Amino acid sequence: QVQLVQSGAEVKKPGDSVRVSCKASGYIFTSVGISWVRQVPGQGLEWVGWIAAYNDKADYGRRFQGRVTMNTDTATSTAYMELRGLTSDDTAVYYCARWLVTDHFDFWGQGTVVTVSP
Amino acid sequence: QSVLTQAPSMSAAPGQRVTISCSGTNSNVGKNFVSWYQQFPGAAPKLLIYENNKRPSEIPDRFSASKSGTSATLDITGLQTGDEAEYFCGVRDSSLASWVFGGGTQVTVL
Repeated sequence: QVQLVQSGAEVKKPGDSVRVSCKASGYIFTSVGISWVRQVPGQGLEWVGWIAAYNDKADYGRRFQGRVTMNTDTATSTAYMELRGLTSDDTAVYYCARWLVTDHFDFWGQGTVVTVSP
Repeated sequence: QSVLTQAPSMSAAPGQRVTISCSGTNSNVGKNFVSWYQQFPGAAPKLLIYENNKRPSEIPDRFSASKSGTSATLDITGLQTGDEAEYFCGVRDSSLASWVFGGGTQVTVL
């Protein structure tokens, strides 16, 4: 069965960077893409970006361009998201999700809590 | 302020029907496939509907959806207490070159 398992919670200081991993199993990793979505506590979902695991081409949301990098390690079927220049506004749960070519996210990771605090 | 507009909350009694709307524009809902997600507190979102009106095999047929022009709707019939959750619509926005979500609709079963 398809599973996405994310890395554990992170606590960072303003200005730091955070790297979250998402290990996929149960399907051919390079056949589809991985998207990253975040959710600020008590708020809605916000798309951060996505990466095609078959060619490592990534697209990022405008709010995150210049501050985020996504990549993959096909040897371990793992996707990574790095977010730099953290502020308290980046405190959120970050989800990875399998992104299909028909433009939807069919399986989601369990989420990684990122807390940014002085 | 979300690009897609959803009512913040809706409620209905068990067995009743709830219709959640998602209003967008010609660059998102009017042009691309809409999907719907269900989220319980403390849990990750779960895919309910994809390609405007298709259900994954494990989703009961009490959940259905449609799209007309720049609006999409999610229908939940035979409402159950286990349906109490937040529901989000999502779609690619061709003008923003981005994926966008609605603000979410909290469904309460009375």
